[in-house]
Amino acid sequence: ETGVTQSPTHLIKTRGQQVTLRCSSQSGHNTVSWYQQALGQGPQFIFQYYREEENGRGNFPPRFSGLQFPNYSSELNVNALELDDSALYLCASSQRTGQGNEKLFFGSGTQLSVL
Amino acid sequence: AQTVTQSQPEMSVQEAETVTLSCTYDTSESDYYLFWYKQPPSRQMILVIRQEAYKQQNATENRFSVNFQKAAKSFSLKISDSQLGDAAMYFCAYRRGNAGNMLTFGGGTRLMVKP
Repeated sequence: ETGVTQSPTHLIKTRGQQVTLRCSSQSGHNTVSWYQQALGQGPQFIFQYYREEENGRGNFPPRFSGLQFPNYSSELNVNALELDDSALYLCASSQRTGQGNEKLFFGSGTQLSVL
Repeated sequence: AQTVTQSQPEMSVQEAETVTLSCTYDTSESDYYLFWYKQPPSRQMILVIRQEAYKQQNATENRFSVNFQKAAKSFSLKISDSQLGDAAMYFCAYRRGNAGNMLTFGGGTRLMVKP
């Protein structure tokens, strides 16, 4: 039912490189958010996009950036990778109703390793 | 800033028995939602149950129920008739009312189910 897909599933990069992670939201969903989940911890909110505009950001530096496209797919870009960026990156989407009761659907994540 | 605390890193339960996972949170908001998510080895976050802060009645979903103590800022999850498939990481999460997909997660509790 969720229909949220992320690619790739695993990725290995070197410190200082740049990476792009992709997410395809469930059809009709207008809001997408990204989370970083370090090993053994809960997910941390990076940012969210609503109708292609950034609509909220967590405590992450500007080298974390994103895009949301008209077809509601999205990207997470991370520049100048650091070792601490190694984590599972989760994408989540929903159909914002304005009533606060929307259900969030998660993808299975991209496991990023920075060497 | 809102915080969510799960004080039990690991819990164990015998199959068919009942287990309770604890969660406390801190907020100055009056309009918010609380969630329990399950994360199996597939890594995909699955919504278990949701509680609206304005509702006094505790939410229930089949074998899952919560004990929502608003004044104490406590939100525990009770799993009845535990099954092997319940084994997973469980995360408590908070969201300010109408904040889209911006969730604050706790650190998680690993639930093991013994046959």
